[in-house]
Amino acid sequence: NAGVMQNPRHLVRRRGQEARLRCSPMKGHSHVYWYRQLPEEGLKFMVYLQKENIIDESGMPKERFSAEFPKEGPSILRIQQVVRGDSAAYFCASSPLQGDGYTFGSGTRLTVV
Amino acid sequence: SQELEQSPQSLIVQEGKNLTINCTSSKTLYGLYWYKQKYGEGLIFLMMLQKGGEEKSHEKITAKLDEKKQQSSLHITASQPSHAGIYLCGADRGRAGANNLFFGTGTRLTVIP
Repeated sequence: NAGVMQNPRHLVRRRGQEARLRCSPMKGHSHVYWYRQLPEEGLKFMVYLQKENIIDESGMPKERFSAEFPKEGPSILRIQQVVRGDSAAYFCASSPLQGDGYTFGSGTRLTVV
Repeated sequence: SQELEQSPQSLIVQEGKNLTINCTSSKTLYGLYWYKQKYGEGLIFLMMLQKGGEEKSHEKITAKLDEKKQQSSLHITASQPSHAGIYLCGADRGRAGANNLFFGTGTRLTVIP
């Protein structure tokens, strides 16, 4: 039973390009959460999704960021027109419908040059 | 807004020594999670505590949640270099379950052989 799979592990984008980060939750997990970890800072919640629904996006920047979790396929965190300040590690976690823990992926490290 | 304060921010110990990391909240915690993070890797789930006064152990790591459910401690006995990393406490925003976590800023542990 594979864990939470994130890809790519490392992503380099030039300013103004788009970044797409993918997260496949653990088998049987229908809840997905995205977190961002800026250098020397803690993990900050971004968005919580269930299949085809955004449940809580209170941590998402108002512009350029979007997330989806389609019926089929992985969850996608999309960052449009990236800027240097978007450079961070982005972690995805998943949980079962009524679980008592969150399983994290290994993260995607985005570098904007 | 509710925050988690971790102390110390960093810790350097000699191999074999015991150590304690603290996590404090201004409000009652509904679920308290401890994770370990190594550079370049994801978060590894250590333990989850829900009940006041609860204590759990795994190998040489013990975590406790106080009766008021506002403070948790993580204690490592006879530390080893493999314990090095960043320890993060996280808490549920509401009832334990499929909500989202918010995290402390982490404690960076270095174990000197």
